[in-house]
Amino acid sequence: QVQLVQSGAEVKKPGASVKVSCKASGYTFTSYGISWVRQAPGQGLEWMGWISAYNGNTNYAQKLQGRVTMTTDTSTSTAYMELRSLRSDDTAVYYCARSIFSPDGTFDYWGQGTLVTVSS
Amino acid sequence: SYVLTQPPSVSVAPGKTARITCGGNNIGSKSVHWYQQKPGQAPVLVIYYDSDRPSGIPERFSGSNSGNTATLTISRVEAGDEADYYCQVWDSSSDHYWVFGGGTKLTVL
Repeated sequence: QVQLVQSGAEVKKPGASVKVSCKASGYTFTSYGISWVRQAPGQGLEWMGWISAYNGNTNYAQKLQGRVTMTTDTSTSTAYMELRSLRSDDTAVYYCARSIFSPDGTFDYWGQGTLVTVSS
Repeated sequence: SYVLTQPPSVSVAPGKTARITCGGNNIGSKSVHWYQQKPGQAPVLVIYYDSDRPSGIPERFSGSNSGNTATLTISRVEAGDEADYYCQVWDSSSDHYWVFGGGTKLTVL
């Protein structure tokens, strides 16, 4: 069965960086991409970006350009999301989700989420 | 950027039908997907391509999309359906390729 297992919770100070991992299993990793979605406390879902596990192509939400980097390691079927220059409003649960980058793409499997807390 | 508008809350008695709307400019021309999120859990896809159900999702969940409104319909509502529901579309002209609605809290009375 398809599973996405994310790394554990993180606490960071403002200005620091965080790197969250998402290990995939149960499917051919390079046949899909991975989207990252975050959810601030009590708020809705926000798409952050997408990476192709096939060739590493990325597309990021405009507001995060320059602060976010998404990568994959096909040898371990793991996707990574690094967010830099953290601010308090980056405090959120971060999810990875399997997806295809197209108008028909859905987020059919999700990781369990990783809580990132930014606090001085 | 493209905006999806959902009512913040919908309440329904058990056994009745709940309808959750998602408004957007000419949304009928887009594919709409719906996610269910229970407290402390990751979202789950319940409807894709406007009206298709993933395997394992009860037939009580259905969707439609026309004009400026997409609708998620839950028939014979159960207590276990209480959750937040989000609609989603793709909009390449937006600063976010994938756009989510603000979410609707479904309360089962």
